[in-house]
Amino acid sequence: DTAVSQTPKYLVTQMGNDKSIKCEQNLGHDTMYWYKQDSKKFLKIMFSYNNKELIINETVPNRFSPKSPDKAHLNLHINSLELGDSAVYFCASSPRPGRGGSGNTIYFGEGSWLTVV
Amino acid sequence: GENVGLHLPTLSVQEGDNSIINCAYSNSASDYFIWYKQESGKGPQFIIDIRSNMDKRQGQRVTVLLNKTVKHLSLQIAATQPGDSAVYFCAEKGMDSSYKLIFGSGTRLLVRP
Repeated sequence: DTAVSQTPKYLVTQMGNDKSIKCEQNLGHDTMYWYKQDSKKFLKIMFSYNNKELIINETVPNRFSPKSPDKAHLNLHINSLELGDSAVYFCASSPRPGRGGSGNTIYFGEGSWLTVV
Repeated sequence: GENVGLHLPTLSVQEGDNSIINCAYSNSASDYFIWYKQESGKGPQFIIDIRSNMDKRQGQRVTVLLNKTVKHLSLQIAATQPGDSAVYFCAEKGMDSSYKLIFGSGTRLLVRP
């Protein structure tokens, strides 16, 4: 009963291709996120959705397009993949947006390792 | 730029010893801080959090200390175990970006048996 699940876990693809990473959470949370972790382990937020509505877009290239069909799913589609897109992409969710506090922990998925060749 | 600063060092400790992992942040407006643990091949896992109106919070074998004067956060792990080996991140949420968690660059903890 994985809380935040994302697929695929590993993805190797050629430059210029279009790919998607899917994410689902079964925690009943309202807020979902995509984070990118580079080769130096630096984690940076890309997008956040609250109840299917985009609330954060961290100046990510428009080749990256998140889609939230319902509040339990947040998929990430990437067009025209570039070498620099190689990274680990983490989906995450939290009960609600807003500042932290008891119970508003962000839970992460296991990550999707994207390698662009 | 990002507000939370750790250059990715490695901390090596003997099993059973206490570990202290440090983090500096620059945004004095941040009011909530979290420590995450990331094991190899896995996603970050919540360890403990602290609000800015506190200076210490204890969990099971872990303690977080917050010094707002010097904008410093630390994670203390008591009786470090091999299973504690991982990369540890501090993260902050600012009052001006209530939805955004900003991560530091992490510290690798290696536990020697």
